[in-house]
Amino acid sequence: GAGVSQSPSNKVTEKGKDVELRCDPISGHTALYWYRQSLGQGLEFLIYFQGNSAPDKSGLPSDRFSAERTGGSVSTLTIQRTQQEDSAVYLCASSLLGQGAEKLFFGSGTQLSVL
Amino acid sequence: GESVGLHLPTLSVQEGDNSIINCAYSNSASDYFIWYKQESGKGPQFIIDIRSNMDKRQGQRVTVLLNKTVKHLSLQIAATQPGDSAVYFCAEWSGNTPLVFGKGTRLSVIA
Repeated sequence: GAGVSQSPSNKVTEKGKDVELRCDPISGHTALYWYRQSLGQGLEFLIYFQGNSAPDKSGLPSDRFSAERTGGSVSTLTIQRTQQEDSAVYLCASSLLGQGAEKLFFGSGTQLSVL
Repeated sequence: GESVGLHLPTLSVQEGDNSIINCAYSNSASDYFIWYKQESGKGPQFIIDIRSNMDKRQGQRVTVLLNKTVKHLSLQIAATQPGDSAVYFCAEWSGNTPLVFGKGTRLSVIA
């Protein structure tokens, strides 16, 4: 596809369940980001993958959150034992890097609702 | 820690008027400052950026101004249109660190 694709677009889950959110970045982009956006709030950085380097996990809010990126392309964000405060829009972005400012291309996000 | 913030959370502008969205930043070591636009139900979209050694940069109907003395960034939109209604985020970037976004300003265009 031409843009960043995220699935599912909406996810409703029960408290305590695990969820997996998927991101397909733009082909050829070396950098991939996950951000979280709570209702009416800004973007909270979660994790950053750049090529084959170790990911920057400094934004993950707890050890219930993890992410991987397979083959330098598709990424999966996993939230274990979900809590109500995890409800938010999870946004994925990719970028080429090396272009000066980090121009990110975002997907439309996954709206996660934890009941 | 470092932060990027905004002076006003909401802004209402008459169609055809110019809009000015402001942003304060605290990390004087940032290399670039960037504006993103987020329409309802979509991810943020890059609008324009400015390097830290510049004061002004113009794009199509948009101008970004950087005042390093007071650590202030602004986005000016000329002849605001209904399609400009969105939330606007400023962000700062330095080297290999992730983009840091501010909380955003909602721009409402009154027809």
